Amino acid sequence: QKEVEQDPGPLSVPEGAIVSLNCTYSNSAFQYFMWYRQYSRKGPELLMYTYSSGNKEDGRFTAQVDKSSKYISLFIRDSQPSDSATYLCAMTPSYNKLIFGAGTRLAVHP
Amino acid sequence: NAGVTQTPKFQVLKTGQSMTLQCAQDMNHNSMYWYRQDPGMGLRLIYYSASEGTTDKGEVPNGYNVSRLNKREFSLRLESAAPSQTSVYFCASSELGYEQYFGPGTRLTVT
Repeated sequence: QKEVEQDPGPLSVPEGAIVSLNCTYSNSAFQYFMWYRQYSRKGPELLMYTYSSGNKEDGRFTAQVDKSSKYISLFIRDSQPSDSATYLCAMTPSYNKLIFGAGTRLAVHP
Repeated sequence: NAGVTQTPKFQVLKTGQSMTLQCAQDMNHNSMYWYRQDPGMGLRLIYYSASEGTTDKGEVPNGYNVSRLNKREFSLRLESAAPSQTSVYFCASSELGYEQYFGPGTRLTVT
């Protein structure tokens, strides 16, 4: 069993939709939870990070962590075609050695 | 300010050949990383260097060696390439471990 599970999609939604992306994990030692966005043929870039449990909001993006269920989510409101990318969750018990999910491919069509 | 640069962008090798992937960062970060990305597998850590002069194995180190040449540069060497090493390789650097800055990647095919 992988330490981090993420549905690879693809997920196709119309412009303006609310998107929900999720990951589950098995290691209860994970403390830092990140979402990276990767455009086609580019390197990943950090979108959001959360330490321990709770919610964090940044513009149209909200990250949620539920440590009791070992479940993290990323919500995108008012999705745009420019949000079309692969979204990778990542987590770590300390600063280094991130464990990444497989990534979910998202397509937002006009 | 170029961020993280990687060379080459593309490479085709025959089984058994060797090559070195180069990575450099201009952000004065202490930590540097090498990942490989395969379809359905996400990013997997090959080696990392928490600071100049130190290197440590990641999740998939077999078949690779690394050198932290100085604070800016971190190279990845394949001594005898195998088809299983066909992948996209990413270098990253970081000051805060969770916020990693990635290079554009090297697409490697081993035939």
